[in-house]
Amino acid sequence: AQSVTQLGSHVSVSEGALVLLRCNYSSSVPPYLFWYVQYPNQGLQLLLKYTSAATLVKGINGFEAEFKKSETSFHLTKPSAHMSDAAEYFCAVTRNTGGFKTIFGAGTRLFVKA
Amino acid sequence: KAGVTQTPRYLIKTRGQQVTLSCSPISGHRSVSWYQQTPGQGLQFLFEYFSETQRNKGNFPGRFSGRQFSNSRSEMNVSTLELGDSALYLCASSPGDGGIGYTFGSGTRLTVV
Repeated sequence: AQSVTQLGSHVSVSEGALVLLRCNYSSSVPPYLFWYVQYPNQGLQLLLKYTSAATLVKGINGFEAEFKKSETSFHLTKPSAHMSDAAEYFCAVTRNTGGFKTIFGAGTRLFVKA
Repeated sequence: KAGVTQTPRYLIKTRGQQVTLSCSPISGHRSVSWYQQTPGQGLQFLFEYFSETQRNKGNFPGRFSGRQFSNSRSEMNVSTLELGDSALYLCASSPGDGGIGYTFGSGTRLTVV
């Protein structure tokens, strides 16, 4: 069964520092990979997606992620954190199992200190 | 372009009652997926509907059911509510191709007392 592991339920960075949120997936076939962000009392918003066109994917709000098949990883980064980046981030994997099923990681809450 | 609309936003029900939640996807999107989000279990997949047919389902009891109408609007129903059903229920809209990703609604916050 496919699974998604996000290392670290909470990550704290200072404003202006590098953001690194880790995601590893288990899949025998390269899947579709996504990162979503959720702000309090809202639904999830798509940040970026990997669909095999390029291994380095750029998303909204300055975020990017790199697909590394050998490491089965899809870590999310941003060079310089902003206070407005404080939110919960979810990594997700989609497989076609006769219908598309997306599995989400447990989420990582990002705190940004002034 | 209108987003995904979920109604109601908040709901309080008593144990044993039933509830129906509604989701209107983005115009032109044929796939609607439902997720349950709780602090302890995170995001759990309930089911996906595509062109009025359930195409995939998660591991939830039969008390959880859904349907999709010809205009792609979807409803989910939970019967015989239990305290553990208290959660944020999220609807996700997509064209139907898994590689596009979802557009989520703001969710329905269900509290069972």
